[in-house]
Formats: sequence, C-alpha cells, structure tokens
Amino acid sequence: TQLLEQSPQFLSIQEGENLTVYCNSSSVFSSLQWYRQEPGEGPVLLVTVVTGGEVKKLKRLTFQFGDARKDSSLHITAAQPGDTGLYLCAGANTDKLIFGTGTRLQVFP
Amino acid sequence: DADVTQTPRNRITKTGKRIMLECSQTKGHDRMYWYRQDPGLGLRLIYYSFDVKDINKGEISDGYSVSRQAQAKFSLSLESAIPNQTALYFCATSDPRQLNYGYTFGSGTRLTVV
Repeated sequence: TQLLEQSPQFLSIQEGENLTVYCNSSSVFSSLQWYRQEPGEGPVLLVTVVTGGEVKKLKRLTFQFGDARKDSSLHITAAQPGDTGLYLCAGANTDKLIFGTGTRLQVFP
Repeated sequence: DADVTQTPRNRITKTGKRIMLECSQTKGHDRMYWYRQDPGLGLRLIYYSFDVKDINKGEISDGYSVSRQAQAKFSLSLESAIPNQTALYFCATSDPRQLNYGYTFGSGTRLTVV
C-alpha cells in the first residue's frame, strides 16, 4: 500500500508567522495535489504539481514537488486566520489518488 | 445546487442496522469514489467506479458495498453497521481526461454507530 505521511500533524501559530507542511512517500507519483478542507465541507483542490522540482505559487502559498516526485511541501507566508483548516496532499498513481494523513492548521489572530 | 450532493448529512444508527449513504453529481463525470475520513488517517478509499458497469474495491472495502445506479448516482451501504464504522464519509467525482483538475467532493456524511 502506498503511503503519504504529512508532518506536522497539528500546527498552531499566530497570524503573520510563516510555516511549512511536508508530504513524504517512498513511492513515485505522476503528480501531486494539495487540498484544503474546512469544517463541515469536503476537500477543495488548491494546486496540482506535475514535474519533478516544480514550484507553484498561489498568493501567499508556495507548493513544491520534489525532484524525485516522491515528496512535496507547502509553505505559507504571513499566515492569516483564513488559512485555518485541514491541508491534505494527494499523490496520483495510474488511476486514483492516494491521500496523505493531513495537517491541521490553526492560525490565531 | 452543489456539484456533488450527499445525503444524509448526519446520521446516527444502531449497531447491526443496515444503512445507505447516497451521492449524486451534476458534473457529468464518469468516475466516482467513496472515501472514509478518520482523524490522523486522512482519506481512505472504500470503493470506486469508473463507469456504470464498473465497481472496484479500495483499501478498506470490508463491511461496505456499493451500487452505481446511473452515471450520476453512487450509493454506499453498510450491511450491518458496527461502532468502528463511525466516521465522516465523502463521495467524490473526477474526469479522467482532466485528472490534474482534481476531485470534486461532496460535503460529507457524518455517521455515528452506537
């Protein structure tokens, strides 16, 4: 079974701080996606990275796909309370997504 | 209306009861999925279907069954519910031609088995 481990599992920070969430696997994926989930809702796609070493930016969020396509990171600059939520990475194999264990982020004003 | 609708949103049921969770979608996607979410475990795949006549087991299919009644409808059944099936259940859809667009999820069903 392919596994995607995320770290940290929980993160509680003050508004304005920077943070990085990691997503690691021993398996190679054809692409990797990041989702954010808010209470009472399903996950919503933030970004897809496809090429090893690829970096994508979405406002204050920076996503990177590892060179070997086994890992990824999400960096948030100057976190805001609106960034609060559960962040999930998901690796694509041939026909379905494997989801990571999740990182629950709380940003306090 | 939501692209992916799950019913019910919340359900409490007793051990041993049969229960069905329903999912319908307006995305026109062929692929549909059922996931279970537990704290610290992320989303785990229960069953998936790539078209109306296709049903596949995921990593945790024991104790569950599914039915793909139409392209737009995919239901999940617990034949005899047990307490460790208490969880948040999500239905999702995808377009195989646009996998990079990700999955579209419903809002989930919170199931409690007492």
